[in-house]
Amino acid sequence: DQQVKQNSPSLSVQEGRISILNCDYTNSMFDYFLWYKKYPAEGPTFLISISSIKDKNEDGRFTVFLNKSAKHLSLHIVPSQPGDSAVYFCAASVQGGSEKLVFGKGTKLTVNP
Amino acid sequence: EPEVTQTPSHQVTQMGQEVILRCVPISNHLYFYWYRQILGQKVEFLVSFYNNEISEKSEIFDDQFSVERPDGSNFTLKIRSTKLEDSAMYFCASSSDRAISYEQYFGPGTRLTVT
Repeated sequence: DQQVKQNSPSLSVQEGRISILNCDYTNSMFDYFLWYKKYPAEGPTFLISISSIKDKNEDGRFTVFLNKSAKHLSLHIVPSQPGDSAVYFCAASVQGGSEKLVFGKGTKLTVNP
Repeated sequence: EPEVTQTPSHQVTQMGQEVILRCVPISNHLYFYWYRQILGQKVEFLVSFYNNEISEKSEIFDDQFSVERPDGSNFTLKIRSTKLEDSAMYFCASSSDRAISYEQYFGPGTRLTVT
């Protein structure tokens, strides 16, 4: 039951370039989406979120884009830094209930100096 | 900056034993969650808790599991009789008043190893 899919298990980019992480979802009831970053032996750290009423949200170097018709979202990191190297999880929820998060499997980003 | 804390960081137990995992959510948060991540798999939802009661639980959260908020600061997950397949990282999360935000903030996790 893969309601949230991150099809790329890994991504490698050069420092200073753009990192684009992708996420697809199948449940049309999802209306709130979040990105988390996770280092080994730590909990997920919240990065950025977007409501389904928007198609873009920006916070510093991080921008999330939402394409509802395609049920697709992406996280852009510009410019990428070596400290961004981590596993990035996409998560989705339905507002108005318990708002439990449904996670993707994650994409391991490596930013090379 | 406020953060969610969890203890212990690592718990080793024998099959059939009871374990209690402890969490201190962010102090003004109202919604509390437990998730787990089996090695190599997704982070998966276990249970949500609001206003001193469970608001939703997953099919994983069977009768062996229970949660409690015994005082104003702690939030605990109890597994009554652990199984080998309960070995995982267990994450506690909390979130604020819905009028403020929907983001959930996670603790560092407890690694549970059942032998």
